[in-house]
Amino acid sequence: IAGITQAPTSQILAAGRRMTLRCTQDMRHNAMYWYRQDLGLGLRLIHYSNTAGTTGKGEVPDGYSVSRANTDDFPLTLASAVPSQTSVYFCASSPGGFNTGELFFGEGSRLTVL
Amino acid sequence: QKEVEQDPGPLSVPEGAIVSLNCTYSNSAFQYFMWYRQYSRKGPELLMYTYSSGNKEDGRFTAQVDKSSKYISLFIRDSQPSDSATYLCAMSRDSGNTPLVFGKGTRLSVIA
Repeated sequence: IAGITQAPTSQILAAGRRMTLRCTQDMRHNAMYWYRQDLGLGLRLIHYSNTAGTTGKGEVPDGYSVSRANTDDFPLTLASAVPSQTSVYFCASSPGGFNTGELFFGEGSRLTVL
Repeated sequence: QKEVEQDPGPLSVPEGAIVSLNCTYSNSAFQYFMWYRQYSRKGPELLMYTYSSGNKEDGRFTAQVDKSSKYISLFIRDSQPSDSATYLCAMSRDSGNTPLVFGKGTRLSVIA
């Protein structure tokens, strides 16, 4: 089934460790996004990419980095994880430009930082 | 005042009821309005997409936008237990240049 694949689905991580959340899409969508979802705070945009080779900062980018080497992959890296980064992380994509039309979301990666 | 306000619920209704979910917003520049549905432990999926004011119907779902009141609604007729989910509103100023702004979501339970 076409769509977005995120890995890992769940991870427990010690504070200070480096972690990369992987995201792959097979829909050839131009734009990709990383959101975090926290109880009471809703979905918040971390980073985005309008097209391969470009990235931009969202609402809560600190502590996170992304790269977009090709159309399909958009990994999110936590260089040195902290407990406040405990969250559910969603990768999403859209066929057009930035937030045109429908966003397609992955199933999420649940990250716990101890 | 936050840009988008949405009552988190939870909202619990009996099967067959008409459900009304709402969001208010403060930015009069918003033109594109969406409703996403998110089942437990899943990613959100687009349910309805409307541009500017008016109504849009799709099966049991109706999306309504009142720009003069800065108020959007999602109505679910003949609600089913399978409609139990969190519903998130989202909106944007223009198509392609600015981020979507999401509401925090309303958790709905439809009881059989």
